[in-house]
Amino acid sequence: ILNVEQSPQSLHVQEGDSTNFTCSFPSSNFYALHWYRWETAKSPEALFVMTLNGDEKKKGRISATLNTKEGYSYLYIKGSQPEDSATYLCALTSGGSYIPTFGRGTSLIVHP
Amino acid sequence: DAGITQSPRHKVTETGTPVTLRCHQTENHRYMYWYRQDPGHGLRLIHYSYGVKDTDKGEVSDGYSVSRSKTEDFLLTLESATSSQTSVYFCAISESTLAGVAPQTDTQYFGPGTRLTVL
Repeated sequence: ILNVEQSPQSLHVQEGDSTNFTCSFPSSNFYALHWYRWETAKSPEALFVMTLNGDEKKKGRISATLNTKEGYSYLYIKGSQPEDSATYLCALTSGGSYIPTFGRGTSLIVHP
Repeated sequence: DAGITQSPRHKVTETGTPVTLRCHQTENHRYMYWYRQDPGHGLRLIHYSYGVKDTDKGEVSDGYSVSRSKTEDFLLTLESATSSQTSVYFCAISESTLAGVAPQTDTQYFGPGTRLTVL
């Protein structure tokens, strides 16, 4: 079982703040890193999939970067809004397996 | 939204009874997964399927079995439910959208979840 760590576990910010959090993973045999957004009482929804070292993805105010050599990915949210409140999950696939290993998520709460 | 439904959406049952949860997809995706979500653990894989009648165990498979007799349906069975199986269960599907692209890059699409309480 791969060790995929997310930090911080939870985060409270004020509306308008920019924030970021981290997904750390073993760098060996890396294949792909996925980010999902999971709102309370809903199901996870895909944000990004990244495969190449140095990849940067952007969707509106949310962006992500990937460093496969050192084994981490950052998710950034610019100008947080209350509707950004959710748990953000990362998931790693590596080696010959297509089965992703999920981190435990970072819970973001944006206060108006 | 991907066409994934789960049934039932909520269930309360007693210890020792059998329970079957159903995941139904209309996307004709090859891969299907069952996860459970528990506080402090995130999503943990129970079983997965890579085709009709092709299934394998995940991280937390003890006490669960699965079947996939049709592409669209993936059933999760608790043969004799225990209180430790109280959880929210999510089904997910995935499929390679580009020819020759490995499934490691596939996005998973999740169903709405089933909340199971075992008393």
